[in-house]
Amino acid sequence: QKEVEQNSGPLSVPEGAIASLNCTYSDRGSQSFFWYRQYSGKSPELIMSIYSNGDKEDGRFTAQLNKASQYVSLLIRDSQPSDSATYLCAVNTGPGSQGNLIFGKGTKLSVKP
Amino acid sequence: DGGITQSPKYLFRKEGQNVTLSCEQNLNHDAMYWYRQDPGQGLRLIYYSQIVNDFQKGDIAEGYSVSREKKESFPLTVTSAQKNPTAFYLCASSQQGAWPQHFGDGTRLSIL
Repeated sequence: QKEVEQNSGPLSVPEGAIASLNCTYSDRGSQSFFWYRQYSGKSPELIMSIYSNGDKEDGRFTAQLNKASQYVSLLIRDSQPSDSATYLCAVNTGPGSQGNLIFGKGTKLSVKP
Repeated sequence: DGGITQSPKYLFRKEGQNVTLSCEQNLNHDAMYWYRQDPGQGLRLIYYSQIVNDFQKGDIAEGYSVSREKKESFPLTVTSAQKNPTAFYLCASSQQGAWPQHFGDGTRLSIL
């Protein structure tokens, strides 16, 4: 059974701090990794995609991928109260670029003013 | 604007009734998906389709049915066999199987 694991949280950080969200996956053949943000009562919104080992930055968001450790993370710099949401990690089921996505259960982030 | 439209936003089902949730996309995506989300839970895949006139069961297909007669449309029917249908239903589409998926706004289904 292919799995994606995330800490459910809640993760609470003060405004302006760095929030670090983590995700591990079981399928070593996975090639595509995504982070979604879901506000309460709303649908998930894609915020980051990463396909290669290393870091990928987009504004205040940085995605980090380590395929050897089967680990993907999302850093949010200068966290704002508007970042308070549940963050879902999604990983393709493989092989290669084929297959569907498996979603983790999400980490709830709370940014305190 | 390109996007995914789900309707209705809220739906109520009576005992023994089948109901159909609509999902339309104008992104020219080949693949479409239906997920169910229960409170505090992740997304569970119900059905998916990677090409017109073909679809596959996901992890929780029992009590649901779908069709894919057009590339743009992937309706989901919640049948009376689904005994616990109350949930948030999300439709998504993507260019191919493992590419990023984009979601509609969802339909909330409740039992009367």
